[in-house]
Amino acid sequence: EAQVTQNPRYLITVTGKKLTVTCSQNMNHEYMSWYRQDPGLGLRQIYYSMNVEVTDKGDVPEGYKVSRKEKRNFPLILESPSPNQTSLYFCASSFGRDNYGYTFGSGTRLTVV
Amino acid sequence: GQQVMQIPQYQHVQEGEDFTTYCNSSTTLSNIQWYKQRPGGHPVFLIQLVKSGEVKKQKRLTFQFGEAKKNSSLHITATQTTDVGTYFCAGCVSNFGNEKLTFGTGTRLTIIP
Repeated sequence: EAQVTQNPRYLITVTGKKLTVTCSQNMNHEYMSWYRQDPGLGLRQIYYSMNVEVTDKGDVPEGYKVSRKEKRNFPLILESPSPNQTSLYFCASSFGRDNYGYTFGSGTRLTVV
Repeated sequence: GQQVMQIPQYQHVQEGEDFTTYCNSSTTLSNIQWYKQRPGGHPVFLIQLVKSGEVKKQKRLTFQFGEAKKNSSLHITATQTTDVGTYFCAGCVSNFGNEKLTFGTGTRLTIIP
């Protein structure tokens, strides 16, 4: 089944404790992206990747890092999480950047206390 | 920067009534995409519109792209309980080969049985 897999689904952590949210897609998509979803703000892009070893900042990159060492994987790293990073996170992938529909993962609900 | 506004933010309708959500961009779009997110779920791609004045239908859903390519609408005829969810538009702006997709804030539809 074609899908984007995110892990974990839920995560509660403490301020400053480094964490990684994994994202993997099995559709051979070149484009991958991370979004955060907050009430009233819609989906805001954090980082995106056009291909292996090519990443760039989205609209809200502060406090986040990403890497794209393999085509299928695009992990999101929070080096020192803070409470304002409490949010619902989605990974998405597509054949291209903006002219193809995105396939989204099931989401990761992160709480930073 | 580019802004994509969606109205209304919330809509409550009786089952069987029609529903419309509107999407407006501050800049001309190269294309627009629509997504549906069920409660507790992830966004799912519905459709993409590219041409000025384009109209596409999916069963009871009708999507329109404005003549000026700055606005779009999604109309649902005779809503059913399965239509519950948040509907997002995502507008793509092409600027000197650099494309950017911006999501609207979404319209949350609830159905009164």
